[in-house]
Amino acid sequence: AQTVTQSQPEMSVQEAETVTLSCTYDTSENNYYLFWYKQPPSRQMILVIRQEAYKQQNATENRFSVNFQKAAKSFSLKISDSQLGDTAMYFCAFMKHPHNNAGNMLTFGGGTRLMVKP
Amino acid sequence: DAGITQSPRHKVTETGTPVTLRCHQTENHRYMYWYRQDPGHGLRLIHYSYGVKDTDKGEVSDGYSVSRSKTEDFLLTLESATSSQTSVYFCAISERTGGRNEQFFGPGTRLTVL
Repeated sequence: AQTVTQSQPEMSVQEAETVTLSCTYDTSENNYYLFWYKQPPSRQMILVIRQEAYKQQNATENRFSVNFQKAAKSFSLKISDSQLGDTAMYFCAFMKHPHNNAGNMLTFGGGTRLMVKP
Repeated sequence: DAGITQSPRHKVTETGTPVTLRCHQTENHRYMYWYRQDPGHGLRLIHYSYGVKDTDKGEVSDGYSVSRSKTEDFLLTLESATSSQTSVYFCAISERTGGRNEQFFGPGTRLTVL
């Protein structure tokens, strides 16, 4: 079984600054995917960024980037130029490569609540 | 946005009563999932479906059943609701095509069992 740990329950950052959210995971799989989801107060789950484990290059999406360290089983999210709209819960999630009919099940961490201050 | 709706969006019920939550998609995706969200636990998988009439259990399936009679609908049933099933329930869909296997989530249903 996989486990995902987010060790920072809450974080805050000043608007326009950079913040890094931590995530570690435990798995015996070699082929898998990692995701960061954002959940604003509206409760909607929004995909922020994804990373394939076989790719060495870190994924980036505009102001969002990850630092993927496969050997260390670490997957942190960096948010640059933080904006007030980034205030949300952030969830790290793990998905092993699906086999046969198996769905793309996600294992989530407990979440980090990020507050962006003006 | 992925075409996923959940109904009802909010429900209050009493212990021992049956409850059915509905997830409807317009994307024709093969896979559908039910998760529950509780403080400190993130989202946890209850059941999932990999096709019409094809379902399997997830991490926290006890006390829940599911059915999928049509591609677009995935129902979650609590046969006899308990207070421990008070939670926010999310439906998700995915399609494994070309390696794009992200899950897209519905808006959630807040269920309170008194």
